[in-house]
Amino acid sequence: DSGVTQTPKHLITATGQRVTLRCSPRSGDLSVYWYQQSLDQGLQFLIQYYNGEERAKGNILERFSAQQFPDLHSELNLSSLELGDSALYFCASSVGTGTGGSPLHFGNGTRLTVT
Amino acid sequence: GEDVEQSLFLSVREGDSSVINCTYTDSSSTYLYWYKQEPGAGLQLLTYIFSNMDMKQDQRLTVLLNKKDKHLSLRIADTQTGDSAIYFCAERSRWGKLQFGAGTQVVVTP
Repeated sequence: DSGVTQTPKHLITATGQRVTLRCSPRSGDLSVYWYQQSLDQGLQFLIQYYNGEERAKGNILERFSAQQFPDLHSELNLSSLELGDSALYFCASSVGTGTGGSPLHFGNGTRLTVT
Repeated sequence: GEDVEQSLFLSVREGDSSVINCTYTDSSSTYLYWYKQEPGAGLQLLTYIFSNMDMKQDQRLTVLLNKKDKHLSLRIADTQTGDSAIYFCAERSRWGKLQFGAGTQVVVTP
């Protein structure tokens, strides 16, 4: 068990809808990262937050947004969903900002299916 | 640009050693990681190595790093059926960006 908790485990929704994915980092970790894993794109970095502030941005669509709250949990909001958004969404956390060696610890992911 | 490449598939017999290879292009890499993903699960950190090291051993796992050739390998000794999974290598640049490879699917046959 990595200590990173993601909810829900599975989500099925229709095109055009909006969903929110939730992540609680490991105790003591200040950074939260969001990744998307799909068969054709592999593991794609979306966004990182450190202690409530956006730290780095990857291949995140404008329809997607995230935030990290004062208690350090994070939410990833996906709106105007398309079929191509179907994927596994992972949250990871680390102690530091990411410039040191502290590894990322991953949750078990949320499987999103858009129909 | 930054790129991490791995072979997509490896088949190995139970009891043999597995060697998973990875190449990267970013010469500013500071740390390199190996993760394991079992079906339906997240990525589990296996081990990692600092870029000024050549080798790291952790029980059945041996990581070798050739910084000159930007080549990383993970050797699993005495491979077991429970080692069947997808293995990802990842490199972290000095600016903090973590880049993953596409993953190597390891299938262990009895």
